[in-house]
Amino acid sequence: DIQLTQSPSFLSASVGDRVTITCRASQGISRYLAWYQQKPVKAPKLLIYSASTLQSGVPSRFSGSGSGTEFTLTISGLQPEDFATYYCQHLNSYPLTFGGGTKVEIK
Amino acid sequence: QVQLQESGPGLVKPSEALSLTCTVSGGSINYYYWSWIRQAPGKGLEWIGYVYYTGSTNYNPSLKSRVTISLDTPKNQFSLSLTSVTAADTALYFCARDKAEAGPRLGFDVWGHGTTVTVSS
Repeated sequence: DIQLTQSPSFLSASVGDRVTITCRASQGISRYLAWYQQKPVKAPKLLIYSASTLQSGVPSRFSGSGSGTEFTLTISGLQPEDFATYYCQHLNSYPLTFGGGTKVEIK
Repeated sequence: QVQLQESGPGLVKPSEALSLTCTVSGGSINYYYWSWIRQAPGKGLEWIGYVYYTGSTNYNPSLKSRVTISLDTPKNQFSLSLTSVTAADTALYFCARDKAEAGPRLGFDVWGHGTTVTVSS
């Protein structure tokens, strides 16, 4: 199975901050990576797919980059509604797996 | 727009089978990959498996011996069966649709709200 390691697992930030979350894959996955946002007791929401393509309706302050084994999710100008947990997911092969999550909290 | 709704018992006894159904509304179950994902309390996300509209399936090896995902096209539903459950199967269970109709998977763009299943006697 391909393992995804997210860092940090927790970060504290202020409204307006630029935030970067990293996802590292245990082997190359080309650009078959998605990012999700999850709020407590809610279903995850797809933000980014194919490593850098913004899902329809997602604000442009979210961006993704990377290929192979290292990927990043950046939030440029954190908004109050962005405080949540973020997960990466690979779709390169089966089984599909998710990273352990990064919880973004208000400083 | 397409919406998904999970349904099924919220409480299952150890060693019994868990059965959940996901109803697709606002669109057809034809085309797309339809998955089940679960999240244990306070934990991350675990992909359980998918069924394609053709009926083909793929399961997480960690659960493969206990999982069956099936399609009911006339009812626009797909279902999850997980046998021999234990407390470790207690989780919030989501159904979801892959954004891609075919070819490489892209990610889950439509999700149900989730249904909590507790395994306890």
